[in-house]
Amino acid sequence: AQKITQTQPGMFVQEKEAVTLDCTYDTSDQSYGLFWYKQPSSGEMIFLIYQGSYDEQNATEGRYSLNFQKARKSANLVISASQLGDSAMYFCAMREPLSNSGGYQKVTFGIGTKLQVIP
Amino acid sequence: DAGITQSPRHKVTETGTPVTLRCHQTENHRYMYWYRQDPGHGLRLIHYSYGVKDTDKGEVSDGYSVSRSKTEDFLLTLESATSSQTSVYFCAISEASSYNEQFFGPGTRLTVL
Repeated sequence: AQKITQTQPGMFVQEKEAVTLDCTYDTSDQSYGLFWYKQPSSGEMIFLIYQGSYDEQNATEGRYSLNFQKARKSANLVISASQLGDSAMYFCAMREPLSNSGGYQKVTFGIGTKLQVIP
Repeated sequence: DAGITQSPRHKVTETGTPVTLRCHQTENHRYMYWYRQDPGHGLRLIHYSYGVKDTDKGEVSDGYSVSRSKTEDFLLTLESATSSQTSVYFCAISEASSYNEQFFGPGTRLTVL
């Protein structure tokens, strides 16, 4: 079973509009973390936002917010006021403890969503 | 930006040849990781290191080996490259395993003909 599911291979959004990128996850651990990364066409991986499983409030970083619904195991990324520079691949990822690993926490990535912002 | 460099940035090689990719960090972070990125798969962990000479396998480690003789360097070796190892390889670092952020290098595009 996939640990991280991103069901939207591609999304379009009009410039200045808000867009939500979906991410659901699967874990039996109580302590875990969720990330979103952006990968523009230039190829680098850019960290956007992080949400811990015990964080009571949704994480926000500028125009990015993470809509964390623990019971539904979803961690959707919301980008407000989209800009042309937001066009990129977006990856959701989760870290969770790996048993018998001496404390190492495994990170699993989803397959990504390609966002295109239309002028 | 975190100080992570990867070399080479691009490489074309032939099937059966050995290839070594280097990741160098200036952040003195304890954990280092090698991922490969392929369309439809996202990023998949190949190997990771939790200290000098301390390494372990990730989910797609077959055909790869790693070494870490210094804190700042993490080497990924393909002993005998195959076409299925054509990919983009990313190195990443984190200060601790229970990190809130993982910093990525610029990536290495490897083509095995």
